[in-house]
Amino acid sequence: AQKITQTQPGMFVQEKEAVTLDCTYDTSDPSYGLFWYKQPSSGEMIFLIYQGSYDQQNATEGRYSLNFQKARKSANLVISASQLGDSAMYFCAMRENSGYSTLTFGKGTMLLVSP
Amino acid sequence: KAGVTQTPRYLIKTRGQQVTLSCSPISGHRSVSWYQQTPGQGLQFLFEYFSETQRNKGNFPGRFSGRQFSNSRSEMNVSTLELGDSALYLCASSSTTGGLLYEQYFGPGTRLTVT
Repeated sequence: AQKITQTQPGMFVQEKEAVTLDCTYDTSDPSYGLFWYKQPSSGEMIFLIYQGSYDQQNATEGRYSLNFQKARKSANLVISASQLGDSAMYFCAMRENSGYSTLTFGKGTMLLVSP
Repeated sequence: KAGVTQTPRYLIKTRGQQVTLSCSPISGHRSVSWYQQTPGQGLQFLFEYFSETQRNKGNFPGRFSGRQFSNSRSEMNVSTLELGDSALYLCASSSTTGGLLYEQYFGPGTRLTVT
């Protein structure tokens, strides 16, 4: 079974609008971390934001926020005020307590921001 | 502080050959992980090294191997290359050995093409 599911292969948004990228996860480990990475066409993975399974509040980093709903096992990324430079692939990933540094990634969502 | 560097950036090999990819982590980082990224399979974990020891290994055949040197630099080797080994190989380094919520910094990747 897939551990990380991203159901949106592609998303379109206009500049300055907000967009939500979906991510659901599956784990039996009570302790885990959830991460979002951005991958521009250059290929490098850029860390955006993370959330721990025991965190009570949703994580925020500038224009990025993570909508964490533990009971639903979802960790959606919200980008406010989209910019043209946000056009990229976005990956949701999970690190389980038993997995050392191993990240399990979803298939990704391609975000295109139009003027 | 210099980021994670990977060499070479691009590589073209023929089926049956072997290849060695190199990764230099951020100074002070002792953990190095390798990932393979293909359009079909997405991002898949290969292995992780910490202080010259392999701590975790993904589900890849024995043709894929790696090692880490005393200066934390890591190499991965693929022997008897197959067409399906064509991929972007990403290296990530981190400094934290415990807990869940720490960043892994990725390099720009090595794009391997097998013909």
